[in-house]
Amino acid sequence: NAGVTQTPKFQVLKTGQSMTLQCAQDMNHEYMSWYRQDPGMGLRLIHYSVGAGITDQGEVPNGYNVSRSTTEDFPLRLLSAAPSQTSVYFCASSSRTGGNSPLHFGNGTRLTVT
Amino acid sequence: GDSVTQMEGPVTLSEEAFLTINCTYTATGYPSLFWYVQYPGEGLQLLLKATKADDKGSNKGFEATYRKETTSFHLEKGSVQVSDSAVYFCALSDSNYQLIWGAGTKLIIKP
Repeated sequence: NAGVTQTPKFQVLKTGQSMTLQCAQDMNHEYMSWYRQDPGMGLRLIHYSVGAGITDQGEVPNGYNVSRSTTEDFPLRLLSAAPSQTSVYFCASSSRTGGNSPLHFGNGTRLTVT
Repeated sequence: GDSVTQMEGPVTLSEEAFLTINCTYTATGYPSLFWYVQYPGEGLQLLLKATKADDKGSNKGFEATYRKETTSFHLEKGSVQVSDSAVYFCALSDSNYQLIWGAGTKLIIKP
């Protein structure tokens, strides 16, 4: 059971660089989301998707882009990395919108921007 | 807006001690309430949930009761083990079915 797979696990970027965090799930879940986790702040929703071709902004979308071309994949793009984006990023999926059914999380990507 | 407040950690206990982690919320309507757990180096996973007032969620010896009158959903366990060491997150589902998260409480159990 792969569940939700995130890559890479660790990444160091310089200010201004771009990169894509990958997320894939094999549970045929319609709902997928990206969170960032910062000390003392819990999880904050960046972007989410309720199905292929549909995305929407969460609480902290600035500086991030997403797309959902397939049910399985939901990549998160940082267009021009900033030190404020240093965080741990989690991808999560569920069969229905997050509050209606359990979220399944990946193991996270720890990103450092210098 | 809706919010969740958890007790600050870390909470440090000895093995077999009784555990309470406090969680209170503010919300319009009647949200569903959740506890998620994050073990070191892993993503979060659902521990238990309750969908209406007076419901009790339970799993792996943990329990939490949805108290509408006190807007609380405190997590309890009668006898903790070293393997329970983790970060625990309380969350609610808002009117748009998005999850609103508490800041998390780190639990350390000493043998």
